[in-house]
Amino acid sequence: QLQLQESGPGLVKPSETLSLTCTVSGGSISSSNYYWGWIRQPPGKGLEWIGSIYYSGSTYHNPSLENRVTISVDTSKNQFSLKLRSVTAADTAVYYCGRVGTNLDFWGQGTLVTVS
Amino acid sequence: EILLTQSPATLSLSPGERATLSCRASQSVYNYLVWYQQRPGQAPRLLIYDASNRATGIPARFSGSGSGTDFTLTISSLEPEDFAVYYCHHRSNWPPTFGGGTKVEIK
Repeated sequence: QLQLQESGPGLVKPSETLSLTCTVSGGSISSSNYYWGWIRQPPGKGLEWIGSIYYSGSTYHNPSLENRVTISVDTSKNQFSLKLRSVTAADTAVYYCGRVGTNLDFWGQGTLVTVS
Repeated sequence: EILLTQSPATLSLSPGERATLSCRASQSVYNYLVWYQQRPGQAPRLLIYDASNRATGIPARFSGSGSGTDFTLTISSLEPEDFAVYYCHHRSNWPPTFGGGTKVEIK
């Protein structure tokens, strides 16, 4: 059974860089059928797609995040990562990683990151 | 960026009743419309993809319809576990976006 698990600091200071890793188990991140994505959800609010990455390294970022995002992949560790620079309180959210095939069909449990 | 508007924001119903949720897109998303269910403290769960196809393991009481800009999620008879927030989502172009959600609450 495929599982995704987010990890990283739960507290980040304003202006610093938020760094999260998603570890994929029960399946290969190098599958040609899937992208891997990051989505976030501020407390009590809706969902926002941050970006996606293919195992080859090609990426898509949401323009709303103004080039603050870097998404990378480490196929040897079956992991992909998110870096969000120059964070503010508005970046406080639950961050989810997910598998994107035809649809985003598998999600991690999410991790709350607070900017303060 | 395509804006998805969901209505109503909150739907107050009793178990056994029918729920009808709406999602309207600011431009055509063809049939690339997805519905997710999110229970408190959980990640969203894929319910419906390509507007009308149930995902694996989703009960038949959930159905989706629509194309272009207007879509509907129907829950034919609400079970206790169905009281949750429902989001629509499009994947027709970049960036993918989500609607603001409809909360289905117990009346």
